[in-house]
Amino acid sequence: SQQGEEDPQALSIQEGENATMNCSYKTSINNLQWYRQNSGRGLVHLILIRSNEREKHSGRLRVTLDTSKKSSSLLITASRAADTASYFCATDSRTSYDKVIFGPGTSLSVIP
Amino acid sequence: EADIYQTPRYLVIGTGKKITLECSQTMGHDKMYWYQQDPGMELHLIHYSYGVNSTEKGDLSSESTVSRIRTEHFPLTLESARPSHTSQYLCASSAYTGLTEAFFGQGTRLTVV
Repeated sequence: SQQGEEDPQALSIQEGENATMNCSYKTSINNLQWYRQNSGRGLVHLILIRSNEREKHSGRLRVTLDTSKKSSSLLITASRAADTASYFCATDSRTSYDKVIFGPGTSLSVIP
Repeated sequence: EADIYQTPRYLVIGTGKKITLECSQTMGHDKMYWYQQDPGMELHLIHYSYGVNSTEKGDLSSESTVSRIRTEHFPLTLESARPSHTSQYLCASSAYTGLTEAFFGQGTRLTVV
């Protein structure tokens, strides 16, 4: 099975609200990344957090990592219609360092 | 803008045909990947490469093959396309250190009729 699992599967919010997505994984990791995918397009890297980090910010994005719970969250503040996309977490593993495995994704709809 | 390119963007082909999906990057990255993704679904790793002359199978069994003769080029070949191969194929590359982001191409949407 895949290493990462996002929750919820789908999320619909009003523009201006915050969106929170969660990711859980199964094995020890070196780092966790979040990606965005607009419909029918390739993925765009958003942020990387290393296993020894607990929180990271990038613009309106805030990522947390709890290695004891094997989970991460992505918070998008003050959402915009342009944030509508699918969001994926991706992890490597300590035993397979060069393979990046993606979860099933959260589909976010931001309603203007 | 990432310098990784996939061609073609869309391909409709008949059953039994041999096809090659092209992927090229100009960033000098050693690691390259092929993922398969059905609409609205997760990505599945089908092949990856550490560098020239290095290829490995991913987690999803695939009838495709890959080659890595040049750093910048990582083509994927299906010897005999079937309708079950209909999917989107995404190519990605990243730097060898292993802690850097992956850059993705725009994808090839393959339909086998």
